[in-house]
Amino acid sequence: SAVISQKPSRDICQRGTSLTIQCQVDSQVTMMFWYRQQPGQSLTLIATANQGSEATYESGFVIDKFPISRPNLTFSTLTVSNMSPEDSSIYLCSVKGGAGANVLTFGAGSRLTVL
Amino acid sequence: GENVEQHPSTLSVQEGDSAVIKCTYSDSASNYFPWYKQELGKGPQLIIDIRSNVGEKKDQRIAVTLNKTAKHFSLHITETQPEDSAVYFCAASIWNYGGSQGNLIFGKGTKLSVKP
Repeated sequence: SAVISQKPSRDICQRGTSLTIQCQVDSQVTMMFWYRQQPGQSLTLIATANQGSEATYESGFVIDKFPISRPNLTFSTLTVSNMSPEDSSIYLCSVKGGAGANVLTFGAGSRLTVL
Repeated sequence: GENVEQHPSTLSVQEGDSAVIKCTYSDSASNYFPWYKQELGKGPQLIIDIRSNVGEKKDQRIAVTLNKTAKHFSLHITETQPEDSAVYFCAASIWNYGGSQGNLIFGKGTKLSVKP
């Protein structure tokens, strides 16, 4: 399965600032997924990042708050904009398995704390 | 849309005992049910999955059962070991081989602690 590297692994941010999370995959993938894991909550899909097109956002998530880049088939970034304490979460990058599979491989996550 | 409920939220067992985590789903069209294990500081990792054409699947000490009529599925871990301590997530989705895949909808997770 793919190996996913995320940076930063953790950060402490001030209210009102923005932070960009990077996700690097060791193989080319069509779709990359960004999830949010709030404390004590389930994994919630933020958006699907497709190379060469705009990201597809899930209900409740908007591009102005979570802009995504996908410059090539192995890399994506997620920016959390104008952060508030409610944005304190673990943000996870993931990709799907082989053809026809619905298995997700996750990165280790980026734990953001907003003060 | 799909909604997945997971219970319990925390579970503590003695080493060697069995652990059972239960999930229910709402969308009868869902046909793929994976379980993920998340160790501290790591991303979730698939440990076992089941499709709706079978009622049970085993892999060494781990088994998953599915009741389509009742729309619930369970993870069973036997002979638990301290390294089984982690957060476990169930999920549900629609899976079409060779076609479009639905997004995985996750439960809220169960923190399992295995005491030596």
